[in-house]
Amino acid sequence: DAKTTQPTSMDCAEGRAANLPCNHSTISGNEYVYWYRQIHSQGPQYIIHGLKNNETNEMASLIITEDRKSSTLILPHATLRDTAVYYCIVRAPIYSSASKIIFGSGTRLSIRP
Amino acid sequence: DTEVTQTPKHLVMGMTNKKSLKCEQHMGHRAMYWYKQKAKKPPELMFVYSYEKLSINESVPSRFSPECPNSSLLNLHLHALQPEDSALYLCASSQGTSGGGRETQYFGPGTRLLVL
Repeated sequence: DAKTTQPTSMDCAEGRAANLPCNHSTISGNEYVYWYRQIHSQGPQYIIHGLKNNETNEMASLIITEDRKSSTLILPHATLRDTAVYYCIVRAPIYSSASKIIFGSGTRLSIRP
Repeated sequence: DTEVTQTPKHLVMGMTNKKSLKCEQHMGHRAMYWYKQKAKKPPELMFVYSYEKLSINESVPSRFSPECPNSSLLNLHLHALQPEDSALYLCASSQGTSGGGRETQYFGPGTRLLVL
């Protein structure tokens, strides 16, 4: 699985959009980009994933560049509850009945009032 | 319902104790996972069960013994642990079939373990 690079920390004002970048320059054609977040002392929470096209759900939007070497997770209206560590992961669809996630160091996002 | 439950929430044990961590999901998922997370570090995979069979063991010491009695339950038996094994132990599950979306893992809240 490809390696990802994320900034160690970021901050964002409450109510503004939080844009979290992720570099995955060695991503392969069949590898998906996944985002999880972990709020302090809780289990990681799935946010969104995509392959080539931009994706949106009720939590966030995922923008993947055309060359797929980087992506951005967008939280459209950040709240204090979005303070967490955000993990960007790239992973191939493993054609067996289980798959592995390898977490990088993640980005610690702080939302300021 | 995307809930994975873990018990206990907190556990303190001595180095000579035997204890077990439990994980349960009722989403019909056929893959279940144990992760270990030290403070200020990302989670690290320990074991993967697929259709109740151990499919991945990430070179975990034998003092950690996983068990999957059925498709909904996952246990982690602990024996003769060391203080450095103190960590947050996370359980996760996924559908267990190929394809990007079906591999999404859902995590439980974790068991915080302290070994004295």
